[in-house]
Amino acid sequence: AQSVTQLGSHVSVSEGALVLLRCNYSSSVPPYLFWYVQYPNQGLQLLLKYTTGATLVKGINGFEAEFKKSETSFHLTKPSAHMSDAAEYFCAVSDGTKGFGNEKLTFGTGTRLTIIP
Amino acid sequence: DTGVSQDPRHKITKRGQNVTFRCDPISEHNRLYWYRQTLGQGPEFLTYFQNEAQLEKSRLLSDRFSAERPKGSFSTLEIQRTEQGDSAMYLCASTPPRAGGYTFGSGTRLTVV
Repeated sequence: AQSVTQLGSHVSVSEGALVLLRCNYSSSVPPYLFWYVQYPNQGLQLLLKYTTGATLVKGINGFEAEFKKSETSFHLTKPSAHMSDAAEYFCAVSDGTKGFGNEKLTFGTGTRLTIIP
Repeated sequence: DTGVSQDPRHKITKRGQNVTFRCDPISEHNRLYWYRQTLGQGPEFLTYFQNEAQLEKSRLLSDRFSAERPKGSFSTLEIQRTEQGDSAMYLCASTPPRAGGYTFGSGTRLTVV
């Protein structure tokens, strides 16, 4: 079984400040890990993913995340927040022993990011 | 290709009515997933198809729910005898045979009154 915990359902940061969104996972098999962003009344857009290899993963819009197996974490960061980053962010996990990241996803409950001008 | 298309975008129905949603995946994608997202929650897996075969169904998918993908292309999700608890965003996604990565549609928002 797999699960994801996102600490902080709401995070507010000032424009230009560091963004840190926390994600911890539980998985009995090697995980693939994902961060998705969702704007109001929209579907989900992939920000970045970890499958194998380098544990520091860079994504779109200046976001990056680091897979830390010992801490079972995959926190999302961005050095400088922009107003356009305001959205809902979801961390997700899938079974890393199958396929190419096409498997069923288990999502966290999401973190709503607000940017303060 | 314009991505994953879902129709309708919004549906309001009275309790007890049947509703059907359609999803058109990216043409070369062989897997198609349905997820449900309620307010303030992350998406929850409902079911998925590989080509026309339905390979897994969640316990969330009660017998009032049925999904089809008859020719391995578009898919439909039907809910019979809708209940207020069915109100949610229903998301469809597709993935290619290899190389990974989901493409999500914009979803169908269902409101049961």
